[in-house]
Amino acid sequence: KAGVTQTPRYLIKTRGQQVTLSCSPISGHRSVSWYQQTPGQGLQFLFEYFSETQRNKGNFPGRFSGRQFSNSRSEMNVSTLELGDSALYLCASSLRSRGDIQYFGAGTRLSVL
Amino acid sequence: KNEVEQSPQNLTAQEGEFITINCSYSVGISALHWLQQHPGGGIVSLFMLSSGKKKHGRLIATINIQEKHSSLHITASHPRDSAVYICAVINYNTDKLIFGTGTRLQVFP
Repeated sequence: KAGVTQTPRYLIKTRGQQVTLSCSPISGHRSVSWYQQTPGQGLQFLFEYFSETQRNKGNFPGRFSGRQFSNSRSEMNVSTLELGDSALYLCASSLRSRGDIQYFGAGTRLSVL
Repeated sequence: KNEVEQSPQNLTAQEGEFITINCSYSVGISALHWLQQHPGGGIVSLFMLSSGKKKHGRLIATINIQEKHSSLHITASHPRDSAVYICAVINYNTDKLIFGTGTRLQVFP
C-alpha cells in the first residue's frame, strides 16, 4: 500500500506570493490533517478535512486555507506569504479521525525569501 | 504554560540502556499519540492511547488518565532509536491536536 505522498518536497517562494501544497493520503483513508512545524513553535495543527469538509481548524490566519477532493486528496494554500511562513508542512492521513493512528507524509519544506 | 509538557527535553544514553520519556498534559483528552521524528523530518506514529498500556517490540507506552500523564519507555536502546519523540493529545472539548515540544534522544554505541 502506498504511503502518504506530499508534493513538492521543497519550495522556495518570495514574500507576497502564494503557494499550494498537495497531499495524497493512503488509499481508503478519509481524514487528512495538515500541520506546520517550525523551530520556534514546534508542531502546530492547521486543519483537518474529512469527506471534503473541514472538520476542525487550528489558530492560523485566514491566509491559510485548504480543501479536500472526492478522492480524499487534499491541497493546502497559503496566500500573501510572509517570512514567518517558512516551515515544514506535514500532512497526515487516517481512516476516520485524528483519534486513529496517523500516517505522515515526508513533508514539504517551504522557504519564503 | 504549555498544555502539553515533555521531559526531558534532551536525553543521551548508551546503547542497551532503558529509557523513559514523560508527557504531562493539562486538558481533558480523548486520545494521546506518541510520534517519532528522525532527522530529515519524517514522522512515524508509534502509539495511540486512550487508556492503559501498549507494547510494540522494544517500545512500551503507558497512560494514566487520572494523573494526566503518559510515559514512553524504550528497552535495550539502540543507536537507531536516536530521534525526536513527540507527545500529542487530542483535546476532548475542542477536538484539536496539541503537540509537546519533543524530547531529543541520542543513543551512543
